[in-house]
Amino acid sequence: DAGITQSPRHKVTETGTPVTLRCHQTENHRYMYWYRQDPGHGLRLIHYSYGVKDTDKGEVSDGYSVSRSKTEDFLLTLESATSSQTSVYFCAISESQDRGHEQFFGPGTRLTVL
Amino acid sequence: DQQVKQNSPSLSVQEGRISILNCDYTNSMFDYFLWYKKYPAEGPTFLISISSIKDKNEDGRFTVFLNKSAKHLSLHIVPSQPGDSAVYFCAASEGGATNKLIFGTGTLLAVQP
Repeated sequence: DAGITQSPRHKVTETGTPVTLRCHQTENHRYMYWYRQDPGHGLRLIHYSYGVKDTDKGEVSDGYSVSRSKTEDFLLTLESATSSQTSVYFCAISESQDRGHEQFFGPGTRLTVL
Repeated sequence: DQQVKQNSPSLSVQEGRISILNCDYTNSMFDYFLWYKKYPAEGPTFLISISSIKDKNEDGRFTVFLNKSAKHLSLHIVPSQPGDSAVYFCAASEGGATNKLIFGTGTLLAVQP
């Protein structure tokens, strides 16, 4: 198994509070991704990183920001959580953009915003 | 606008029989396709992939078929086992520097003993 951990694994918070989710990898992979999984939508890309301090938006980036200050850590921040951000969040890593390099996923964080 | 579609939310098959999961896509720029399996409370795990230059890829009990003209791919599992019961996601990539994946909505496969 790829060395990917996510913390926390579960979190309940209130509307309007800031929340930060952490993804940590031990594989030294260049690419990291944040997805959310919701019923009827599958997995949707929020933000991704193609190197330290290099990040870009995915298809559902509104309300989220990310930071990557070192190779192994990719943080996802909800500046002011809303109930629509209740979801399961997955981090993924990828070695390169070449064909055949699949993404490996972490165990997920279940976030509930009340 | 869903670029990758899995129109069957669920599928039930008997143990030992064939499971066929389907996926359709709309973006002709997709050049690489993957299938992921997901158990409850776990992250998705990579299962099998296929490049657009091929029409079939096989790995043990799992075979993926790609029909580019129809923009359709399918995953065949033969023989199906109870441990195959999971949600299966189809994903597609159009290449580029970031290898972003577009996922379908998933199909829940239940293999009955």
